Amino acid sequence: EAGVAQSPRYKIIEKRQSVAFWCNPISGHATLYWYQQILGQGPKLLIQFQNNGVVDDSQLPKDRFSAERLKGVDSTLKIQPAKLEDSAVYLCASSRNRVSSYNEQFFGPGTRLTVL
Amino acid sequence: AQSVAQPEDQVNVAEGNPLTVKCTYSVSGNPYLFWYVQYPNRGLQFLLKYITGDNLVKGSYGFEAEFNKSQTSFHLKKPSALVSDSALYFCAVRARNSGNTPLVFGKGTRLSVIA
Repeated sequence: EAGVAQSPRYKIIEKRQSVAFWCNPISGHATLYWYQQILGQGPKLLIQFQNNGVVDDSQLPKDRFSAERLKGVDSTLKIQPAKLEDSAVYLCASSRNRVSSYNEQFFGPGTRLTVL
Repeated sequence: AQSVAQPEDQVNVAEGNPLTVKCTYSVSGNPYLFWYVQYPNRGLQFLLKYITGDNLVKGSYGFEAEFNKSQTSFHLKKPSALVSDSALYFCAVRARNSGNTPLVFGKGTRLSVIA
């Protein structure tokens, strides 16, 4: 089966600019996650969707970050305006069943964002 | 609150020797435990998980991990390391029956296997 697709792979922007990332999960996977991975740290969950509904966005900085998953398939994550501390790899993952299950997550290759 | 500790930033091992990457966790109640591996410029890849039952879990590429409830540990092991095992390894935990509680990752351990 095809894996989780993400684009772009790399993005360099200046602070206060906006940026958007796209993710297409594995076909049939109901749950989609966005993670932020800062260099030297493990992934930190930003938001999780079950189909097209938000399950948890408690760690999403909502003053600058937004995400949507229209039609319950692909998803976009946006940052507006970007800050220097947003420099990180943004990972998208999907899993088969509901958020609280024990199913493993399948990760995309990530988007490496550099904010200058 | 859930948390994971990976006490070693880096583990070095000679090819052919056994390897261990350590992980301890903290959750309320019983855990689901996972190991993921990350190769350069790639996303995380699932290795193995503990749900319930046998404390020794076998996964991909010859890796295994042992769940120890009394020590709240889930160390990753492999009997004979390969150079191709060199990568970044992450342990993760989620409490069972925790509703929508997200998966929590450790900070990672870089494994270097030397030929």
